[in-house]
Amino acid sequence: GAGVSQTPSNKVTEKGKYVELRCDPISGHTALYWYRQSLGQGPEFLIYFQGTGAADDSGLPNDRFFAVRPEGSVSTLKIQRTERGDSAVYLCASSLRGGLTIDEQFFGPGTRLTVL
Amino acid sequence: AQTVTQSQPEMSVQEAETVTLSCTYDTSESDYYLFWYKQPPSRQMILVIRQEAYKQQNATENRFSVNFQKAAKSFSLKISDSQLGDAAMYFCAYRSASGAQKLVFGQGTRLTINP
Repeated sequence: GAGVSQTPSNKVTEKGKYVELRCDPISGHTALYWYRQSLGQGPEFLIYFQGTGAADDSGLPNDRFFAVRPEGSVSTLKIQRTERGDSAVYLCASSLRGGLTIDEQFFGPGTRLTVL
Repeated sequence: AQTVTQSQPEMSVQEAETVTLSCTYDTSESDYYLFWYKQPPSRQMILVIRQEAYKQQNATENRFSVNFQKAAKSFSLKISDSQLGDAAMYFCAYRSASGAQKLVFGQGTRLTINP
C-alpha cells in the first residue's frame, strides 16, 4: 500500500496482559513516530526512530512501554502489564528523512486499544 | 516545554460560509514550524497546511489559509467556502526546527458543517 498501515485496527485486552501494536511505514521512509491519543485529546508523542535506533523516547510514560524497529522499516510498540489507563488510539507516522528536515509526517489510521 | 492551546472545543458553520479556528502556542524558540491537521472519523490525521516561523507571509492552500502572528504566538486557520467534507476534528501542532522532532498537538476543535 501507499500509506502508513497499522495492525490491528482494534485490540481489546484484559488488565495485566501484554500487547503488541504494529506499524508499517511508507516504503523508504527513514523516520518513524508513535503517538498516543486519549479520548477527546490531541495526540501525545511517545517515541521517534531514525532508522533502527530510537532517537527520542522521552514520551514513553513508563517502563511498561517499549518499541523496536529492528530493520529500519516495520516498528512494534509493546505494552506490558496493561492498565485501564492505557486505553487510547495509538497512532504511527513516518516521514522521508526525519531529522531537522521539514518532511511531512504521514499518519496511519491508528490502533484503538481497549483495556478491560 | 512547548504547549499548544485550542480554546474552541467545538465550532459550527453554514455550508459555503467562512470559519476561523483559533490556536495559540507557547515557546521560547525562535525557529519552528506550525501545522494544522484534520482528523475525520476514520482517525487518519491529514496535513491541511503548514507555516515556517521564519516566513512572514501567511501560508495558503486553496480554501485554507492561516493568520500567523509570531509576536502574539497565534496561529489561526481560516476555511473559506466551507464544504460538508470539511467536517472533522482539527488539530493545531508545533514542531521545533532545531530540537525535538516530535509534533506537539493542541486539544482539537470539532468542526461541524451545517447544510
